[in-house]
Amino acid sequence: SAVISQKPSRDICQRGTSLTIQCQVDSQVTMMFWYRQQPGQSLTLIATANQGSEATYESGFVIDKFPISRPNLTFSTLTVSNMSPEDSSIYLCSVDGGSANEKLLFGSGTQLSVL
Amino acid sequence: SQQGEEDPQALSIQEGENATMNCSYKTSINNLQWYRQNSGRGLVHLILIRSNEREKHSGRLRVTLDTSKKSSSLLITASRAADTASYFCATEETSGSRLTFGEGTQLTVNP
Repeated sequence: SAVISQKPSRDICQRGTSLTIQCQVDSQVTMMFWYRQQPGQSLTLIATANQGSEATYESGFVIDKFPISRPNLTFSTLTVSNMSPEDSSIYLCSVDGGSANEKLLFGSGTQLSVL
Repeated sequence: SQQGEEDPQALSIQEGENATMNCSYKTSINNLQWYRQNSGRGLVHLILIRSNEREKHSGRLRVTLDTSKKSSSLLITASRAADTASYFCATEETSGSRLTFGEGTQLTVNP
């Protein structure tokens, strides 16, 4: 199954700045997903990154706050913009592990703390 | 409303004991999956059970699914300290929406 490399693994950022998280997959995948996991909470889907088109955002998430790039079938970035302490979370990149939606493979996550 | 709700929220047991975690959901599903997360890192897929299956085994894991009660359980037998992690259920709804994750159970296995 695909191997996903996500970086940075953690960062501490100042309020008002932006952080870009990178996700690299060792094989071509159709869809890549970005999740947020707030402290002690479950995973919430932010958006689906589609190659060649704009990302599809879930309710409550907007492109201005979480711009996503998907330049090819193996790479995507998520930017957390104009950060506030409420953005402190783990951000996870994920891809379909096989048949559509059968299972998900996850990157190791980015632990973000905003001061 | 929350699709997947798990109980208990936290479970602490001794090595060698069995651990049982439960997941309830609200809508019709195609399948239900269990994932494990170590210390806030990436999730690892453990097992998938389809809506027409009632029980599935994988090593020390046993998963049951009761679609009439909209519930599932994950049993880890002969637990080890290395099983300490958070366990999440996730459901794929028949509506075709993305996987919806439950709140998770924090399992601690004491040596």
